[in-house]
Amino acid sequence: KAGVTQTPRYLIKTRGQQVTLSCSPISGHRSVSWYQQTPGQGLQFLFEYFSETQRNKGNFPGRFSGRQFSNSRSEMNVSTLELGDSALYLCASSLGTGMNTEAFFGQGTRLTVV
Amino acid sequence: GENVEQHPSTLSVQEGDSAVIKCTYSDSASNYFPWYKQELGKRPQLIIDIRSNVGEKKDQRIAVTLNKTAKHFSLHITETQPEDSAVYFCAASIGGSTLGRLYFGRGTQLTVWP
Repeated sequence: KAGVTQTPRYLIKTRGQQVTLSCSPISGHRSVSWYQQTPGQGLQFLFEYFSETQRNKGNFPGRFSGRQFSNSRSEMNVSTLELGDSALYLCASSLGTGMNTEAFFGQGTRLTVV
Repeated sequence: GENVEQHPSTLSVQEGDSAVIKCTYSDSASNYFPWYKQELGKRPQLIIDIRSNVGEKKDQRIAVTLNKTAKHFSLHITETQPEDSAVYFCAASIGGSTLGRLYFGRGTQLTVWP
């Protein structure tokens, strides 16, 4: 069974630009969550999608947005990039129904804003 | 929302010794507690988890204990090996309307010296 796949692995962008990151979950998983990981703040929750609907949202500005497609693949978009957006962006997939189930992470996208 | 505190932030042990990492949570509705191991440059990997209806779970050299009354849970690694060196994250999940969201501790950098 293929794991969670994130693309691209690395990105370098300039302040003010926008970026789109992609996450393909494990087959059969319908929930995709996104996290921002930085040395100072740890793993911070961005949002979670289930069956193409945003089900939960963290405390990030509106510049951070996402969506999920009918095949459960998810994208997140960051507009008007700031230097502080430099981080490792991780997505996690899980079944997303019933009781809490295991969440599996992708290898992440390393975003550097210059 | 839920708040997860993790201690210590760094831990150094000699190979063969035991290591214990402790976490506390604030929301008594939390019912699922996974632990992740993240090696340098790699994705967080689920190593063990426990649900609120269980007090202890063991998998070879790794065990997790949960005290619901005190709202704390701990990771125990016995007979540590250099390959156990990594950052360990605890997390809690409430489920229900926030199913799919994990609340993470800040992480513990474990170093095992040969």
